[in-house]
Amino acid sequence: KAGVTQTPRYLIKTRGQQVTLSCSPISGHRSVSWYQQTPGQGLQFLFEYFSETQRNKGNFPGRFSGRQFSNSRSEMNVSTLELGDSALYLCASSFQGRGELGQFFGPGTRLTVL
Amino acid sequence: AQTVTQSQPEMSVQEAETVTLSCTYDTSESNYYLFWYKQPPSRQMILVIRQEAYKQQNATENRFSVNFQKAAKSFSLKISDSQLGDTAMYFCAFMTNLGAGANSKLTFGKGITLSVRP
Repeated sequence: KAGVTQTPRYLIKTRGQQVTLSCSPISGHRSVSWYQQTPGQGLQFLFEYFSETQRNKGNFPGRFSGRQFSNSRSEMNVSTLELGDSALYLCASSFQGRGELGQFFGPGTRLTVL
Repeated sequence: AQTVTQSQPEMSVQEAETVTLSCTYDTSESNYYLFWYKQPPSRQMILVIRQEAYKQQNATENRFSVNFQKAAKSFSLKISDSQLGDTAMYFCAFMTNLGAGANSKLTFGKGITLSVRP
């Protein structure tokens, strides 16, 4: 099976712009979770989508949003970018939402905000 | 809220030797899951091993094993016969058990950088 894929791998944006990141889970996985990784804050949970519904949400401002499509692919959107949004954004999928069996991560999207 | 603490920021080990990475966590829950993830320089997070809190038996996966002490809220990872490819950042993570099919949020520690010396 192909692993989790994320596009694009690298992005450079300027403050105030918006950005959309994409994640395709492992075939058959219906849950997609998003994490932000920064040197200062470490890995933080953004939100999780399961069957096109946001099921769990972390403590991030409303500028961070997401959605999931019927084929389980997920997108994450960040509006009005700030310098502090520069980070590695990781998505992870799990089989039938059973994260306890392990979440499988993509290679990440490196976002740089100038 | 749950917290995960990895107090050692860096460790180094000679190839073929054994190393133990420490992790403690804080939770008021009795049913949860614990994980160790590895992040090599490529930045791809890889699941190393998982432990169910209700199981007393420590999990093992080839050269990787854990020492799970539920009362002490401790979850250490032992890597035997260390290999150069084990060089990576290792994260301890906690997941609340919300029921089958409902578990998703991982709470991570800050990570520990492990270097394996040839």
